[in-house]
Amino acid sequence: DTAVSQTPKYLVTQMGNDKSIKCEQNLGHDTMYWYKQDSKKFLKIMFSYNNKELIINETVPNRFSPKSPDKAHLNLHINSLELGDSAVYFCASSQVGGGALETQYFGPGTRLLVL
Amino acid sequence: TQLLEQSPQFLSIQEGENLTVYCNSSSVFSSLQWYRQEPGEGPVLLVTVVTGGEVKKLKRLTFQFGDARKDSSLHITAAQPGDTGLYLCAGVAGNMLTFGGGTRLMVKP
Repeated sequence: DTAVSQTPKYLVTQMGNDKSIKCEQNLGHDTMYWYKQDSKKFLKIMFSYNNKELIINETVPNRFSPKSPDKAHLNLHINSLELGDSAVYFCASSQVGGGALETQYFGPGTRLLVL
Repeated sequence: TQLLEQSPQFLSIQEGENLTVYCNSSSVFSSLQWYRQEPGEGPVLLVTVVTGGEVKKLKRLTFQFGDARKDSSLHITAAQPGDTGLYLCAGVAGNMLTFGGGTRLMVKP
């Protein structure tokens, strides 16, 4: 019944490794997002996809590569992990991807710790 | 660059007290949203305000959008321990949400 789900919930890895985070939404929404929340709880948009097409890329390093196999999934692959990548990553989805009244639905987050 | 500033960053009060959280920006947004985030969870939308000067009430929570659509406030009346959490404002512009830094509220019984 979970609207937006993410796996894994926790991820602990060594610097330099490559890892992926998966996101799925069962709301039938057209747009999906990835956000990063740092240790001070500041939440910042990273990417947005509409119907599998990238529409927002907010100056995120090339080590981060989103992949959308279909509009219900948006996965995040991170290469050569760095200490500063440690954060909570949230996936979200919305019906269309624009509009003053649109609601974004967030997943439970993936807590990434890079050692 | 953080475009939305929230104040206070932290607030610890006793049950039954009233409080106000502020969200200020130099930018105009088409609407402004307030979210609440509990530990270990993602943010959940509380309200969206669209019209300058608009006031919306959600039980003991009152949300106001500034006349110029650059700022907003959240007022909680008679706070309860269940109100404890991180409150985030977010400005809507096009298909992007820009979040404020959040206000961490703790309501002690």
